[in-house]
Amino acid sequence: AQSVTQLGSHVSVSEGALVLLRCNYSSSVPPYLFWYVQYPNQGLQLLLKYTTGATLVKGINGFEAEFKKSETSFHLTKPSAHMSDAAEYFCAVSDILGAGSARQLTFGSGTQLTVLP
Amino acid sequence: DAGVIQSPRHEVTEMGQEVTLRCKPISGHDYLFWYRQTMMRGLELLIYFNNNVPIDDSGMPEDRFSAKMPNASFSTLKIQPSEPRDSAVYFCASRLTGEDTQYFGPGTRLTVL
Repeated sequence: AQSVTQLGSHVSVSEGALVLLRCNYSSSVPPYLFWYVQYPNQGLQLLLKYTTGATLVKGINGFEAEFKKSETSFHLTKPSAHMSDAAEYFCAVSDILGAGSARQLTFGSGTQLTVLP
Repeated sequence: DAGVIQSPRHEVTEMGQEVTLRCKPISGHDYLFWYRQTMMRGLELLIYFNNNVPIDDSGMPEDRFSAKMPNASFSTLKIQPSEPRDSAVYFCASRLTGEDTQYFGPGTRLTVL
């Protein structure tokens, strides 16, 4: 079974400060990992993903995340927060649930990011 | 492409009424997913289809919930009868075989009074 834990349901940072949103996962097979962002009253938008290859992945809006297998982590970072980054962020893991099954997403509980002026 | 389209965006109904949520996936995508988002339970997968066939409906909470996909460009999620605890945001997402990313619609915010 796969699961995702996001530490901190609410994170506040000052504009210009480092953003760090934490995500740990469990998976029985090599996982695919995703970060999605949800702006108010909107659907989820893909920020970035890791499938194979380079463990540091870059996404949209200056975000990046590093897959650390030894720590089972996929933390999201951004060097300098903007007011427009205020949103809810979801980490998700995808693995194969059985022979011939499609990869499905399991989401974390989300982290609400507030950016203070 | 217009992306995943959901309707209505907001639905307010009274307990006991039938509710039908609609989704149009991205053209050419052969997987379609229905999710429910609540404060208490977060994002939950309800059911998904592949080539219009329901593959896994283990997330559907009760028999009051049903989903259909009569063709590749349309799916419905029906709740009959609706209850206040069904109040949530319902998302539809689609994906193409061989790709990793699911694309989400804007969601339907359902309020059952």
